[in-house]
Amino acid sequence: SQTIHQWPATLVQPVGSPLSLECTVEGTSNPNLYWYRQAAGRGLQLLFYSVGIGQISSEVPQNLSASRPQDRQFILSSKKLLLSDSGFYLCAWSYRGGQGAFFGQGTRLTVV
Amino acid sequence: QQPVQSPQAVILREGEDAVINCSSSKALYSVHWYRQKHGEAPVFLMILLKGGEQKGHDKISASFNEKKQQSSLYLTASQLSYSGTYFCGTLPGGSNYKLTFGKGTLLTVNP
Repeated sequence: SQTIHQWPATLVQPVGSPLSLECTVEGTSNPNLYWYRQAAGRGLQLLFYSVGIGQISSEVPQNLSASRPQDRQFILSSKKLLLSDSGFYLCAWSYRGGQGAFFGQGTRLTVV
Repeated sequence: QQPVQSPQAVILREGEDAVINCSSSKALYSVHWYRQKHGEAPVFLMILLKGGEQKGHDKISASFNEKKQQSSLYLTASQLSYSGTYFCGTLPGGSNYKLTFGKGTLLTVNP
């Protein structure tokens, strides 16, 4: 069966510090991968998605970046965090044909 | 482009029915429905791939009108466990895998 791992579950970082969130998928190959951010009580904002190694589509211009160094690994990064980067970050995967998306447990990031 | 959901919030008593709507200004390849409990990640409920397709999951079902670019989620005889925020997600046609979500509908089921 397929599983998705996302860590850490919670993170408190000072303004100006770097960020690296990692997501890995097991049990499938060549998935589509997604990063979303959810502000408190709000909807799911698509940040990045990837259909293959090294292929990243960015949806929101900001100080975040994403990379896909391996088929089932998706990394969200920032060189310098802003207060506005606080939120609930969710990684998700779907089959190549897009038949549904399955989310990791999420990372609750607080920038202080 | 982000799909539009309505209503924004619904309050029900246990056993009542609800309908949540999702519409898009662009042609759709598929519509997905998810439920998110407070503090947790969204959970996939179902996907509708064909125009006119209807699917069911326990007492939760959905329809997809491809021509109107609309989908509706039907919750019948609601249970307390149905409470949460429901999101529709849409994929455009072709090889575009950009999965975007509506702003969500907060469903509260009271005893």
